[in-house]
Amino acid sequence: SQQGEEDPQALSIQEGENATMNCSYKTSINNLQWYRQNSGRGLVHLILIRSNEREKHSGRLRVTLDTSKKSSSLLITASRAADTASYFCATAIIAGTALIFGKGTTLSVSS
Amino acid sequence: EPEVTQTPSHQVTQMGQEVILRCVPISNHLYFYWYRQILGQKVEFLVSFYNNEISEKSEIFDDQFSVERPDGSNFTLKIRSTKLEDSAMYFCASGGALNEQFFGPGTRLTVL
Repeated sequence: SQQGEEDPQALSIQEGENATMNCSYKTSINNLQWYRQNSGRGLVHLILIRSNEREKHSGRLRVTLDTSKKSSSLLITASRAADTASYFCATAIIAGTALIFGKGTTLSVSS
Repeated sequence: EPEVTQTPSHQVTQMGQEVILRCVPISNHLYFYWYRQILGQKVEFLVSFYNNEISEKSEIFDDQFSVERPDGSNFTLKIRSTKLEDSAMYFCASGGALNEQFFGPGTRLTVL
């Protein structure tokens, strides 16, 4: 089944360092979306990258997509304590349809 | 900035009772979704709604669940007879032409 799986499961870094999280999936997709979730809270949309795109940027976030490897990465540069959260990738086979989420990466940024 | 809102933020109910979770999607969006997240687990898709009808549903969305868009703004999820295993955070999401899905803050449902 189509599934996004993040790697690593947990990541601890110091403020100012970069954090890289990876996501792999199994089937062809239309788009992949990254979300952030603070403990017990809602999902905040970060970036959507389409299958015909290779890289997108938004502020300190950089997302890449390699459809040949069925993988994506999320890079957060110059991390801050406020970036501490869980990060999820979610894939859609067809635009506008169900998102399939991975288990997430828990990022802890210490000051 | 427009956002998805959900009420209530927390609902406690007895097993077997009916609950209705409410959502107000972003106003110009056309696609509406419900997801749930059991504590410590993945976010799971329940149902999508487009053009006043269900467009897709998962195995979780059985006969106990129903969705409605009773007017131009609200989108509701009804669980007819709640079970203990329905305890979860329920998220509403809406999507527009760019296919991004924006999530609400969630309703935490606790079934006793």
